[in-house]
Amino acid sequence: SAVISQKPSRDICQRGTSLTIQCQVDSQVTMMFWYRQQPGQSLTLIATANQGSEATYESGFVIDKFPISRPNLTFSTLTVSNMSPEDSSIYLCSVGAGSSYNEQFFGPGTRLTVL
Amino acid sequence: GENVEQHPSTLSVQEGDSAVIKCTYSDSASNYFPWYKQELGKRPQLIIDIRSNVGEKKDQRIAVTLNKTAKHFSLHITETQPEDSAVYFCAANLLHGGYQKVTFGTGTKLQVIP
Repeated sequence: SAVISQKPSRDICQRGTSLTIQCQVDSQVTMMFWYRQQPGQSLTLIATANQGSEATYESGFVIDKFPISRPNLTFSTLTVSNMSPEDSSIYLCSVGAGSSYNEQFFGPGTRLTVL
Repeated sequence: GENVEQHPSTLSVQEGDSAVIKCTYSDSASNYFPWYKQELGKRPQLIIDIRSNVGEKKDQRIAVTLNKTAKHFSLHITETQPEDSAVYFCAANLLHGGYQKVTFGTGTKLQVIP
């Protein structure tokens, strides 16, 4: 399976600022996903990011708040904009693998705290 | 959209006993059902999966069953060990407009008591 890294691993930010999270994969992948996992909760899909096309956002998530870049097949970024304490969460990227890209492998996550 | 329910939310078993976690889904078009294990402070890891054309799949002490008619699937762990203690998530995968949409269950915290 692919080796996935994320930067930063954690950060503490002030409200109103923005943070960009990077996701790096050691091999080319078609499908990448961004999730949010609030403490003690399940995973919620934010968006699907495929290279060469605009990200597809899930209900409740908008591009102005969570802009995503996917410049190539090994890298993606998620920006959390104009942060508020409600954005405090773990953000994870994942890659789709397998014949239909169904199998997902997750990065280690970025723990974000907004003060 | 897809709705995935998972039960129980917590489960405690004695070491060596079996553990069963159950999930139901709402969209009959879902065709792939993975299970993830997440240890405290770590990333979710895929442990087993099943596709809609299969009724049961087994991998050593772990098995998953799928009932398409009833729209439910279950994870079975036999001969549980303390290292099985973790949060387990089921998920249902739906191909939607050329993109995949994965909906996760709410999670089951499994505690294996030595």
